[in-house]
Amino acid sequence: EAGVAQSPRYKIIEKRQSVAFWCNPISGHATLYWYQQILGQGPKLLIQFQNNGVVDDSQLPKDRFSAERLKGVDSTLKIQPAKLEDSAVYLCASSFRAGPDNEQFFGPGTRLTVL
Amino acid sequence: GDSVTQMEGPVTLSEEAFLTINCTYTATGYPSLFWYVQYPGEGLQLLLKATKADDKGSNKGFEATYRKETTSFHLEKGSVQVSDSAVYFCALMARGGSEKLVFGKGTKLTVNP
Repeated sequence: EAGVAQSPRYKIIEKRQSVAFWCNPISGHATLYWYQQILGQGPKLLIQFQNNGVVDDSQLPKDRFSAERLKGVDSTLKIQPAKLEDSAVYLCASSFRAGPDNEQFFGPGTRLTVL
Repeated sequence: GDSVTQMEGPVTLSEEAFLTINCTYTATGYPSLFWYVQYPGEGLQLLLKATKADDKGSNKGFEATYRKETTSFHLEKGSVQVSDSAVYFCALMARGGSEKLVFGKGTKLTVNP
């Protein structure tokens, strides 16, 4: 079974530029998550989708971050404009359904460096 | 709000040593508790979990017991191997409402031969 795919793996941009990350979840997984992991910290949930609807985006900085889940499958996360503090690893995860009885499977992440 | 506190790392052990990584949590109600592991160059993966008080999660020789009275979920392994070198994250998920994972900061473990 293929895992969660993410691209690109690495991205370096200047502050105030825009950037987009892509995620392809495991086939059949209805729930998709985007996490931000700053160096030395644990992942923090940015947004959770159930199919193509948003379940939780309470920690998404909506003035600069946006996300969508096309047709309930692939998802993109965008940052515009980027700030220095956005330097982090962006993790995508998916699960069959939401909730503690459904394991979240994580992708390899995209490491973003903002200069 | 909900939070997880892990012991500070890094932790360095010799092969076959006993491992304990402490984890305590703050949450309303009775959350489910998890340990995730991130091996070098790989993505996060679930190591074990427990969903109610006194449950013991176990996998690959690792164990953790859900202690409601001390709000703890310490990770233990009797004899570590070099291949256990990784970063370990404790996490919780509250039931009801926003069922999202809340992670600790992670503890880096290095096991030397």
